[in-house]
Amino acid sequence: DAGVTQSPTHLIKTRGQQVTLRCSPKSGHDTVSWYQQALGQGPQFIFQYYEEEERQRGNFPDRFSGHQFPNYSSELNVNALLLGDSALYLCASSSPTGLAGMGSTDTQYFGPGTRLTVL
Amino acid sequence: ILNVEQSPQSLHVQEGDSTNFTCSFPSSNFYALHWYRWETAKSPEALFVMTLNGDEKKKGRISATLNTKEGYSYLYIKGSQPEDSATYLCAPLSGGYQKVTFGTGTKLQVIP
Repeated sequence: DAGVTQSPTHLIKTRGQQVTLRCSPKSGHDTVSWYQQALGQGPQFIFQYYEEEERQRGNFPDRFSGHQFPNYSSELNVNALLLGDSALYLCASSSPTGLAGMGSTDTQYFGPGTRLTVL
Repeated sequence: ILNVEQSPQSLHVQEGDSTNFTCSFPSSNFYALHWYRWETAKSPEALFVMTLNGDEKKKGRISATLNTKEGYSYLYIKGSQPEDSATYLCAPLSGGYQKVTFGTGTKLQVIP
């Protein structure tokens, strides 16, 4: 059973460019969350997708957008890249079984991440 | 955004030593807390999810406790082994749909 996969592994871009990162969830999972981990910090929640809709969003600007496909895979797009966008981007998948459908106890399975460097 | 603090930031222990570290979070509007282990060059791996005040979870030599009234969780490792070397992250949830806030983690190094 393949776990969560992400592509590419590493990426180098320049300021102002746009980037697309991809994530395939664990088999049987329909919910995908994206996180940004900057150096020295814990992962920061970007947004979560469920049934092809953005269900929840963290404090990230509109330059960060996403998409979920019918097969539950997901993309993270970042426009007008800034130096500060350099980080490890993690994708996590889960299958909602939590209390009252809130999903708060669902275990998330993480991918290996995409390391983005903006020059 | 929750203010989540983990201490210590890093820790070096000898093989066989027992150790523990702390995750502190605001106690209001608490839903659940997750602990993750993140080994270098690997993906974060879920250890525990805890929801109730007084919860205790155990997985092998690793255990965790939760105090939602005062807003903290402890992670204990008994008889540390080199394979326990990793960063341990806690992630409390203040609302639904897994809008998690991760701490910065405690980096544990177990010296053989």
